[in-house]
Amino acid sequence: DAKTTQPPSMDCAEGRAANLPCNHSTISGNEYVYWYRQIHSQGPQYIIHGLKNNETNEMASLIITEDRKSSTLILPHATLRDTAVYYCVYNFNKFYFGSGTKLNVKP
Amino acid sequence: NAGVTQTPKFQVLKTGQSMTLQCAQDMNHEYMSWYRQDPGMGLRLIHYSVGAGITDQGEVPNGYNVSRSTTEDFPLRLLSAAPSQTSVYFCASRNMEPTLHFGNGTRLTVT
Repeated sequence: DAKTTQPPSMDCAEGRAANLPCNHSTISGNEYVYWYRQIHSQGPQYIIHGLKNNETNEMASLIITEDRKSSTLILPHATLRDTAVYYCVYNFNKFYFGSGTKLNVKP
Repeated sequence: NAGVTQTPKFQVLKTGQSMTLQCAQDMNHEYMSWYRQDPGMGLRLIHYSVGAGITDQGEVPNGYNVSRSTTEDFPLRLLSAAPSQTSVYFCASRNMEPTLHFGNGTRLTVT
């Protein structure tokens, strides 16, 4: 199974960077890492993905270690609207979402 | 575009009843999948399909059947509902790009 390990919860002050780690030690060489988030009870939303190189888009940055066994999602200036559960997943046809990290952004 | 549409939004069943959760997408996506999410938990993959006529099992397939006769539709059938199947069910679809598009979910209670 394509399982990942994430801390159950994290706090972040509004305006500060939020760094969310994920361990995916069983990922294979050609599999991308994807990050999604779920706000309240809505369906998850795609954030970003990467293979080897660091990636950045308008929502976040993704740092992947050289051995590809872990990655970190960075929200550079967290806002209250970023309070959500964040999931890292891989295995293109069988995304296993796990329990994710509950990010609490506080004023 | 409507995106991914799930019906019904809410459903209450008695133990032993059967029902079908509907999922339809209008984006011509080949890949579709079903997840369940129990309270305070992450999403668990039930079944998925990579195209019409092709389905496969996910993490928790027992008690659920699927079929994919068209590209647009991917219904999930509960043959004999059990209280353990009380959950929120999400349908999702995508093409080759990595962005899964999720529906708004069906909240199912089995008494």
